[in-house]
Amino acid sequence: EAQVTQNPRYLITVTGKKLTVTCSQNMNHEYMSWYRQDPGLGLRQIYYSMNVEVTDKGDVPEGYKVSRKEKRNFPLILESPSPNQTSLYFCASSLAVAGELFFGEGSRLTVL
Amino acid sequence: AQSVTQLGSHVSVSEGALVLLRCNYSSSVPPYLFWYVQYPNQGLQLLLKYTTGATLVKGINGFEAEFKKSETSFHLTKPSAHMSDAAEYFCAVSERQGAQKLVFGQGTRLTINP
Repeated sequence: EAQVTQNPRYLITVTGKKLTVTCSQNMNHEYMSWYRQDPGLGLRQIYYSMNVEVTDKGDVPEGYKVSRKEKRNFPLILESPSPNQTSLYFCASSLAVAGELFFGEGSRLTVL
Repeated sequence: AQSVTQLGSHVSVSEGALVLLRCNYSSSVPPYLFWYVQYPNQGLQLLLKYTTGATLVKGINGFEAEFKKSETSFHLTKPSAHMSDAAEYFCAVSERQGAQKLVFGQGTRLTINP
């Protein structure tokens, strides 16, 4: 089954404790992206990747890092989480840059 | 820079009534336009998209949208609402040339009254 898998789905952590949200897709998609969803703001792009070893900032990259060492994986790293990073995070992939995005089920992160 | 505005953060209709969710965009070049739906506790899934050709686009679950360049709009409609349509709907735009990302609107939560 074609899917984008994110882990963990739910996480409560404390300020400053590094964490990684993993994302994996099994569709051989080149394009992958991370979004955060906040009430009233819709989805805002954090980082995206056009291919292996090619990443770039989206609209709200501050406080986040990403890597793309393999085509299927695109982890999101929060080196020192802060409460303003409490949000619902989505990973997405697509075959082409402007093509249909396939979304994971989301990771709800709470930073205390 | 491209942007998307969805008019109305909440829309409520009766079951069987017309659904109309409004979306206006700004883009410096001809855009790709999308509607996504998000059911509770799930990720987003594509309802329909406009890339080129016919301006009236049909999607899944009986939804359709019409691209109107003169009005810079891409409103989503469904003739008869069903209880299962209750969800949050997002309009999104991507520029055709050198497109790097999808820009999403704020979302519209659709409630269906029995």
